[in-house]
Amino acid sequence: LAKTTQPISMDSYEGQEVNITCSHNNIATNDYITWYQQFPSQGPRFIIQGYKTKVTNEVASLFIPADRKSSTLSLPRVSLSDTAVYYCLVGDRGSGGYQKVTFGTGTKLQVIP
Amino acid sequence: NAGVTQTPKFRILKIGQSMTLQCTQDMNHNYMYWYRQDPGMGLKLIYYSVGAGITDKGEVPNGYNVSRSTTEDFPLRLELAAPSQTSVYFCASSYGKGPHNEQFFGPGTRLTVL
Repeated sequence: LAKTTQPISMDSYEGQEVNITCSHNNIATNDYITWYQQFPSQGPRFIIQGYKTKVTNEVASLFIPADRKSSTLSLPRVSLSDTAVYYCLVGDRGSGGYQKVTFGTGTKLQVIP
Repeated sequence: NAGVTQTPKFRILKIGQSMTLQCTQDMNHNYMYWYRQDPGMGLKLIYYSVGAGITDKGEVPNGYNVSRSTTEDFPLRLELAAPSQTSVYFCASSYGKGPHNEQFFGPGTRLTVL
């Protein structure tokens, strides 16, 4: 299974764009990159997923370079309510046996007024 | 839809006591999961189920048991509570297998074992 590395924590002021990078050097051909967001005292919430290039939804954008060895989650104009832990996961969508994917410690984003 | 519901929200157990954490989903998902999250850490998979009657171990199954008699329900049983089981427990469900198919999480159960 591909191992991921992401920063432990980040601070940002309100209104700024935040980019969180995740490294996954040994990503496999069938692997997708998936990000979850977890607010304090809540379960994680799926926010975005991609395979290559760029994906955008109402919450975030995900940039994936051609070699797919890293990816960047971009949050535009963050607000205090974006303070959360963000998890990067890499794995396939279920062909074959179940992948016991681990949610690592994630990146704790603190948005400052 | 209520999504994934968990009961209780909070519980304090004494060492050696038993309890069942309840989880119900109303999205007709085949896949269900139990995770635990220790303070400041990520989530670790305890058990998962791919459908009624089928369960399998995750990363940290010791001290826990599960059953899946219906599509909707996936209870987690602690037989002999130990302080190491103090944690927040999350139940989740998904249409497809694994977290790369969007998993929907419940609100969690905060368990303290004293």
